Amino acid sequence: AQKITQTQPGMFVQEKEAVTLDCTYDTSDPSYGLFWYKQPSSGEMIFLIYQGSYDQQNATEGRYSLNFQKARKSANLVISASQLGDSAMYFCAMREGREGAQKLVFGQGTRLTINP
Amino acid sequence: GAGVSQSPSNKVTEKGKDVELRCDPISGHTALYWYRQSLGQGLEFLIYFQGNSAPDKSGLPSDRFSAERTGGSVSTLTIQRTQQEDSAVYLCASSRTSDSYEQYFGPGTRLTVT
Repeated sequence: AQKITQTQPGMFVQEKEAVTLDCTYDTSDPSYGLFWYKQPSSGEMIFLIYQGSYDQQNATEGRYSLNFQKARKSANLVISASQLGDSAMYFCAMREGREGAQKLVFGQGTRLTINP
Repeated sequence: GAGVSQSPSNKVTEKGKDVELRCDPISGHTALYWYRQSLGQGLEFLIYFQGNSAPDKSGLPSDRFSAERTGGSVSTLTIQRTQQEDSAVYLCASSRTSDSYEQYFGPGTRLTVT
Protein backbone atom coordinates (compact mmCIF):
# COMPACT_ATOMS: atom_id res chain seq x y z
CA ALA A 1 0.00 0.00 0.00
CA GLN A 2 1.19 3.46 -0.86
CA LYS A 3 2.33 5.19 2.30
CA ILE A 4 2.60 8.67 0.81
CA THR A 5 0.31 9.82 -1.97
CA GLN A 6 0.79 12.97 -4.00
CA THR A 7 -2.09 13.16 -6.44
CA GLN A 8 -0.88 16.13 -8.49
CA PRO A 9 1.82 15.14 -11.00
CA GLY A 10 2.05 18.75 -12.17
CA MET A 11 0.84 22.18 -11.09
CA PHE A 12 0.95 25.49 -12.96
CA VAL A 13 0.57 28.71 -10.99
CA GLN A 14 0.90 32.41 -11.75
CA GLU A 15 3.70 34.24 -10.01
CA LYS A 16 2.67 35.82 -6.68
CA GLU A 17 -0.28 33.49 -6.23
CA ALA A 18 -0.47 31.03 -3.35
CA VAL A 19 -0.27 27.34 -4.17
CA THR A 20 -1.23 24.21 -2.25
CA LEU A 21 0.50 20.91 -2.94
CA ASP A 22 -1.43 17.90 -1.71
CA CYS A 23 -0.07 15.02 0.34
CA THR A 24 -1.90 12.22 2.11
CA TYR A 25 -0.24 9.51 4.16
CA ASP A 26 -1.02 6.15 5.63
CA THR A 27 0.33 4.86 8.92
CA SER A 28 -0.92 3.07 12.01
CA ASP A 29 1.98 4.31 14.12
CA PRO A 30 0.97 7.10 16.52
CA SER A 31 4.45 8.62 16.30
CA TYR A 32 5.55 9.89 12.92
CA GLY A 33 6.98 12.91 11.17
CA LEU A 34 6.08 14.54 7.89
CA PHE A 35 8.50 16.41 5.64
CA TRP A 36 8.50 18.41 2.46
CA TYR A 37 11.54 18.61 0.21
CA LYS A 38 12.17 20.71 -2.89
CA GLN A 39 14.22 19.34 -5.77
CA PRO A 40 15.20 21.95 -8.36
CA SER A 41 16.55 20.98 -11.76
CA SER A 42 20.05 20.83 -10.26
CA GLY A 43 18.95 17.64 -8.50
CA GLU A 44 19.74 18.42 -4.88
CA MET A 45 17.07 17.76 -2.28
CA ILE A 46 16.36 20.82 -0.15
CA PHE A 47 14.56 20.42 3.17
CA LEU A 48 11.64 22.84 3.50
CA ILE A 49 9.50 22.02 6.50
CA TYR A 50 8.77 19.39 9.16
CA GLN A 51 5.65 18.47 11.14
CA GLY A 52 5.66 16.02 14.03
CA SER A 53 2.56 13.94 14.67
CA TYR A 54 2.23 15.31 18.19
CA ASP A 55 2.80 18.94 17.23
CA GLN A 56 -0.24 21.02 18.15
CA GLN A 57 0.45 23.85 15.74
CA ASN A 58 0.89 23.72 11.98
CA ALA A 59 4.53 24.16 11.01
CA THR A 60 5.61 27.35 9.24
CA GLU A 61 8.92 28.36 7.69
CA GLY A 62 8.87 31.71 5.94
CA ARG A 63 6.61 31.43 2.90
CA TYR A 64 6.05 27.71 3.54
CA SER A 65 3.39 26.34 5.81
CA LEU A 66 2.15 22.82 6.36
CA ASN A 67 -1.61 22.33 6.62
CA PHE A 68 -1.67 19.31 8.93
CA GLN A 69 -5.05 17.59 9.22
CA LYS A 70 -4.38 14.54 11.36
CA ALA A 71 -7.83 12.98 11.19
CA ARG A 72 -7.77 13.16 7.41
CA LYS A 73 -4.11 12.05 7.29
CA SER A 74 -3.18 14.94 5.10
CA ALA A 75 -0.13 17.21 5.17
CA ASN A 76 -0.49 19.73 2.38
CA LEU A 77 2.25 22.25 1.66
CA VAL A 78 1.17 25.84 1.15
CA ILE A 79 3.51 28.26 -0.56
CA SER A 80 2.44 31.87 -0.26
CA ALA A 81 3.35 34.59 -2.78
CA SER A 82 4.96 32.17 -5.23
CA GLN A 83 8.16 33.16 -7.02
CA LEU A 84 9.74 31.98 -10.27
CA GLY A 85 12.44 30.26 -8.22
CA ASP A 86 9.82 28.04 -6.65
CA SER A 87 9.58 26.07 -9.89
CA ALA A 88 10.83 22.59 -8.97
CA MET A 89 9.75 19.08 -7.97
CA TYR A 90 8.27 18.87 -4.49
CA PHE A 91 8.28 15.68 -2.46
CA CYS A 92 6.30 14.81 0.62
CA ALA A 93 7.92 12.25 2.92
CA MET A 94 7.17 10.46 6.18
CA ARG A 95 9.23 9.02 8.99
CA GLU A 96 7.51 6.34 11.04
CA GLY A 97 8.09 5.21 14.55
CA ARG A 98 10.59 6.09 17.18
CA GLU A 99 12.69 9.21 16.90
CA GLY A 100 15.81 7.24 16.21
CA ALA A 101 14.50 5.60 13.06
CA GLN A 102 14.93 8.27 10.44
CA LYS A 103 14.26 6.25 7.31
CA LEU A 104 12.07 8.39 5.05
CA VAL A 105 9.36 7.16 2.71
CA PHE A 106 8.75 9.54 -0.19
CA GLY A 107 5.78 10.26 -2.42
CA GLN A 108 6.04 10.41 -6.20
CA GLY A 109 6.37 14.17 -6.25
CA THR A 110 4.60 17.15 -7.80
CA ARG A 111 6.25 19.26 -10.48
CA LEU A 112 5.42 22.90 -9.78
CA THR A 113 5.82 25.48 -12.52
CA ILE A 114 5.49 29.16 -11.72
CA ASN A 115 4.52 31.28 -14.71
CA PRO A 116 5.55 34.96 -14.94
CA GLY B 1 31.27 24.38 6.06
CA ALA B 2 31.15 21.84 3.26
CA GLY B 3 27.96 19.97 2.53
CA VAL B 4 27.52 16.32 1.66
CA SER B 5 29.69 15.39 -1.29
CA GLN B 6 29.34 12.43 -3.61
CA SER B 7 31.57 10.99 -6.28
CA PRO B 8 31.55 10.41 -9.11
CA SER B 9 28.79 12.77 -10.25
CA ASN B 10 28.15 10.59 -13.28
CA LYS B 11 29.01 6.98 -13.93
CA VAL B 12 28.39 4.98 -17.10
CA THR B 13 29.08 1.28 -16.84
CA GLU B 14 28.46 -1.85 -18.84
CA LYS B 15 25.97 -4.41 -17.67
CA GLY B 16 27.65 -6.98 -15.46
CA LYS B 17 30.39 -4.69 -14.13
CA ASP B 18 30.74 -3.70 -10.48
CA VAL B 19 30.54 -0.05 -9.42
CA GLU B 20 31.40 1.85 -6.26
CA LEU B 21 29.73 5.10 -5.30
CA ARG B 22 31.21 7.29 -2.59
CA CYS B 23 29.58 9.59 -0.05
CA ASP B 24 31.35 12.05 2.23
CA PRO B 25 28.91 13.29 4.87
CA ILE B 26 29.01 16.60 6.68
CA SER B 27 31.74 16.53 9.31
CA GLY B 28 30.40 15.44 12.68
CA HIS B 29 27.17 13.97 11.34
CA THR B 30 26.70 10.53 12.81
CA ALA B 31 23.78 9.36 10.68
CA LEU B 32 24.15 8.56 6.97
CA TYR B 33 21.52 7.41 4.47
CA TRP B 34 21.52 6.12 0.91
CA TYR B 35 18.50 6.59 -1.35
CA ARG B 36 17.84 5.78 -5.00
CA GLN B 37 15.79 7.91 -7.38
CA SER B 38 14.72 6.38 -10.65
CA LEU B 39 13.69 8.64 -13.53
CA GLY B 40 10.63 10.70 -12.62
CA GLN B 41 10.15 8.85 -9.34
CA GLY B 42 10.39 9.66 -5.69
CA LEU B 43 13.26 8.55 -3.54
CA GLU B 44 13.55 4.95 -2.40
CA PHE B 45 15.38 4.22 0.86
CA LEU B 46 18.30 1.81 0.57
CA ILE B 47 20.37 1.74 3.77
CA TYR B 48 20.98 3.74 6.95
CA PHE B 49 24.04 3.97 9.22
CA GLN B 50 24.01 5.40 12.72
CA GLY B 51 27.29 5.60 14.58
CA ASN B 52 28.67 2.18 15.40
CA SER B 53 25.29 0.45 15.33
CA ALA B 54 24.49 -2.25 12.81
CA PRO B 55 23.15 -0.61 9.65
CA ASP B 56 19.51 -0.81 8.63
CA LYS B 57 19.76 -2.62 5.28
CA SER B 58 16.04 -3.17 4.86
CA GLY B 59 15.83 -1.13 1.65
CA LEU B 60 18.56 -2.86 -0.35
CA PRO B 61 16.81 -4.35 -3.42
CA SER B 62 19.04 -7.41 -3.81
CA ASP B 63 22.20 -9.04 -2.50
CA ARG B 64 24.10 -7.37 -5.34
CA PHE B 65 23.89 -4.18 -3.30
CA SER B 66 26.08 -3.56 -0.26
CA ALA B 67 27.39 -0.57 1.62
CA GLU B 68 29.94 0.15 4.25
CA ARG B 69 30.91 3.11 6.33
CA THR B 70 34.49 3.32 7.45
CA GLY B 71 35.50 5.16 10.59
CA GLY B 72 32.02 6.53 11.03
CA SER B 73 32.52 8.92 8.14
CA VAL B 74 32.87 8.11 4.44
CA SER B 75 30.49 5.55 2.98
CA THR B 76 30.75 3.43 -0.15
CA LEU B 77 27.76 1.88 -1.91
CA THR B 78 28.77 -1.08 -4.07
CA ILE B 79 26.64 -2.61 -6.79
CA GLN B 80 27.90 -5.90 -8.15
CA ARG B 81 27.06 -7.30 -11.57
CA THR B 82 25.10 -4.18 -12.52
CA GLN B 83 21.82 -4.52 -14.40
CA GLN B 84 20.03 -1.95 -16.55
CA GLU B 85 17.34 -1.54 -13.91
CA ASP B 86 20.05 -0.25 -11.55
CA SER B 87 20.24 2.94 -13.64
CA ALA B 88 19.17 5.77 -11.36
CA VAL B 89 20.45 8.68 -9.32
CA TYR B 90 21.90 7.52 -6.03
CA LEU B 91 21.56 10.12 -3.30
CA CYS B 92 23.35 10.21 0.01
CA ALA B 93 22.18 12.21 3.02
CA SER B 94 23.49 12.81 6.51
CA SER B 95 22.06 14.19 9.72
CA ARG B 96 23.66 15.35 12.95
CA THR B 97 22.25 12.41 14.90
CA SER B 98 19.57 9.84 14.31
CA ASP B 99 17.22 12.11 16.29
CA SER B 100 17.85 15.08 14.01
CA TYR B 101 14.95 15.26 11.63
CA GLU B 102 16.66 17.33 8.95
CA GLN B 103 18.61 15.26 6.46
CA TYR B 104 21.12 17.09 4.28
CA PHE B 105 21.39 15.62 0.81
CA GLY B 106 24.33 15.44 -1.53
CA PRO B 107 24.14 16.18 -5.26
CA GLY B 108 23.83 12.51 -6.17
CA THR B 109 25.58 10.13 -8.53
CA ARG B 110 23.83 9.46 -11.81
CA LEU B 111 24.44 5.82 -12.72
CA THR B 112 23.76 4.61 -16.24
CA VAL B 113 24.09 0.91 -17.01
CA THR B 114 24.35 0.18 -20.74
